[in-house]
Amino acid sequence: GAGVSQSPRYKVTKRGQDVTLRCDPISSHATLYWYQQALGQGPEFLTYFNYEAQPDKSGLPSDRFSAERPEGSISTLTIQRTEQRDSAMYRCASSLERSGNTQYFGPGTRLTVL
Amino acid sequence: AQSVTQLGSHVSVSEGALVLLRCNYSSSVPPYLFWYVQYPNQGLQLLLKYTSAATLVKGINGFEAEFKKSETSFHLTKPSAHMSDAAEYFCAVSHNFGNEKLTFGTGTRLTIIP
Repeated sequence: GAGVSQSPRYKVTKRGQDVTLRCDPISSHATLYWYQQALGQGPEFLTYFNYEAQPDKSGLPSDRFSAERPEGSISTLTIQRTEQRDSAMYRCASSLERSGNTQYFGPGTRLTVL
Repeated sequence: AQSVTQLGSHVSVSEGALVLLRCNYSSSVPPYLFWYVQYPNQGLQLLLKYTSAATLVKGINGFEAEFKKSETSFHLTKPSAHMSDAAEYFCAVSHNFGNEKLTFGTGTRLTIIP
């Protein structure tokens, strides 16, 4: 596609529910990143994919968070048993394969956990 | 480990005045450095990046930044502020091997005074 898209743009859920966020990267981009941005803060790295491989999950806050990219294109981020502290903007970015290439960001999904 | 410090969470300048947004980084290896801008309800947009070529980097919308290794700085400047420059600006660092995740500063909100 023309740019990185994310859905939904806004998600309100109740504590304890599971949520799944979706990212559709730029079609030629091999690398896909997920970031979490709390209010008033910069984005923080969660995880990334090279095609379908997930070499680094070190930023995922807990085992309630998981991500996948089964066919090396669209990716989903799932948060199980959501907690109020999970409320944040979740940003997806994609880039050509590494070596200082620019990360292009989607509009983000604003998650609110009540 | 790498980190970014942005001095000043809020900066106000008059229209037509010089814009200076400060960024200092810490990195144990040669860094890649980026400035992103975030307009309300939009995704992060790349302004400019340094990837070990010229130390003075020119970006979009008249912005530029200078990489100063001795000062570990990458300050963003624009000679004459425009009302449309009002936004939040993020400095970020990555390094040229590994997963190249971006480590962001906490951001600087720029307000332009008419």
